[in-house]
Amino acid sequence: QVQLVESGGGVVQPGGSLRLSCAASGFTFSSYGMHWVRQAPGKGLEWVAFIRYDGSNKYYADSVKGRFTISRDNSKNTLYLQMNSLRAEDTAVYYCAKDSSSWYGPPEYYFDYWGQGTLVTVSS
Amino acid sequence: AIWMTQSPSLLSASTGDRVTISCRMSQGISSYLAWYQQKPGKAPELLIYAASTLQSGVPSRFSGSGSGTDFTLTISCLQSEDFATYYCQQYYSFPVTFGQGTRLEIK
Repeated sequence: QVQLVESGGGVVQPGGSLRLSCAASGFTFSSYGMHWVRQAPGKGLEWVAFIRYDGSNKYYADSVKGRFTISRDNSKNTLYLQMNSLRAEDTAVYYCAKDSSSWYGPPEYYFDYWGQGTLVTVSS
Repeated sequence: AIWMTQSPSLLSASTGDRVTISCRMSQGISSYLAWYQQKPGKAPELLIYAASTLQSGVPSRFSGSGSGTDFTLTISCLQSEDFATYYCQQYYSFPVTFGQGTRLEIK
């Protein structure tokens, strides 16, 4: 069965950096695009970033563009999110999510599996 | 970016009721809409994609309809496990965006 397990969350000071990881199993990781989605405490869902199955294309929300970098290592079945210049408003649970479409199908950008999330708190 | 208006934000209902949640887009998105259910402390789960296609394993009491700018999620006979928060999401274009959420609570 599909499993996505995030790690790397924690408490960081404003202006600091953190790298999140998402270990994937139960599907052919190298065939699917992957996303990061976040949820501030008590708030709704906000899409953060997407990376194509082969890493060739990446998209970001305006709120994180220039500060966050999404990447993947298909040999390790792992997705990453490098977060720099962190702000208080980046405090959230960060979920990795599997894109529904594989490389050989038409692109679809909805999420058929989600990890359990990892909490990032930006506070002094 | 495409803006979404999801309503109502809070919905009170009883077990056995039929409820509907609405999602309106700032521009047409064809049928590129998904619905998710989220329970407290848990990750969201996919219910419906392509506006009306039920994800595998989702009970048939859930249904979706609409295209263009107006969409609806209907739960035909509420069960206790359906009390949760529901989100719509458009995937017509980046940035993909979510509705504000509808919390479905027990009356």
